[in-house]
Amino acid sequence: EADIYQTPRYLVIGTGKKITLECSQTMGHDKMYWYQQDPGMELHLIHYSYGVNSTEKGDLSSESTVSRIRTEHFPLTLESARPSHTSQYLCASRREGVETQYFGPGTRLLVL
Amino acid sequence: GENVEQHPSTLSVQEGDSAVIKCTYSDSASNYFPWYKQELGKGPQLIIDIRSNVGEKKDQRIAVTLNKTAKHFSLHITETQPEDSAVYFCAASPTGNQFYFGTGTSLTVIP
Repeated sequence: EADIYQTPRYLVIGTGKKITLECSQTMGHDKMYWYQQDPGMELHLIHYSYGVNSTEKGDLSSESTVSRIRTEHFPLTLESARPSHTSQYLCASRREGVETQYFGPGTRLLVL
Repeated sequence: GENVEQHPSTLSVQEGDSAVIKCTYSDSASNYFPWYKQELGKGPQLIIDIRSNVGEKKDQRIAVTLNKTAKHFSLHITETQPEDSAVYFCAASPTGNQFYFGTGTSLTVIP
């Protein structure tokens, strides 16, 4: 069982609100990822990090931002939520030199 | 960038039968190919992976085959059980840093 956690698991919020999705892992992994997954669809990489103070944008354009101040923590922030942000957001991590990714349980976001 | 295609999108099999899911990739530099199982309400979980220097890998009822020349790889599940019902994703990684996922296959095992 992977030690990677996401909160909240479900979030319903109004348009224009600022939200932060939390992701934490206790495995000491250097690399962390955020994916967006629409129902029945593939995972799209939106952000990743090689380590503390490192953040990169993925292939899928996203209006979200991330930070990596601590190894174990990789939060994702939406400054102004819109209905188009409605989706499931999955966080993952892996150790440097090991390809295996471990996924969190996901956050299902609904923006009204 | 890498493009991964996965087929079929849905698959129903009788319990005890075999299931096969196929993926193709476009970037010949891809050298790592994991398969994930995603159950309802959970994140994807790695079930098996293969690297480009290997043609086949088995783990109990699950096997993966890789054809580098044709750029395709397949997941084989034998003696399927109802608990195998889930969405399965293939992925390919050319760099080891980024992973490109297929569109998923919803597998239903009928008791």
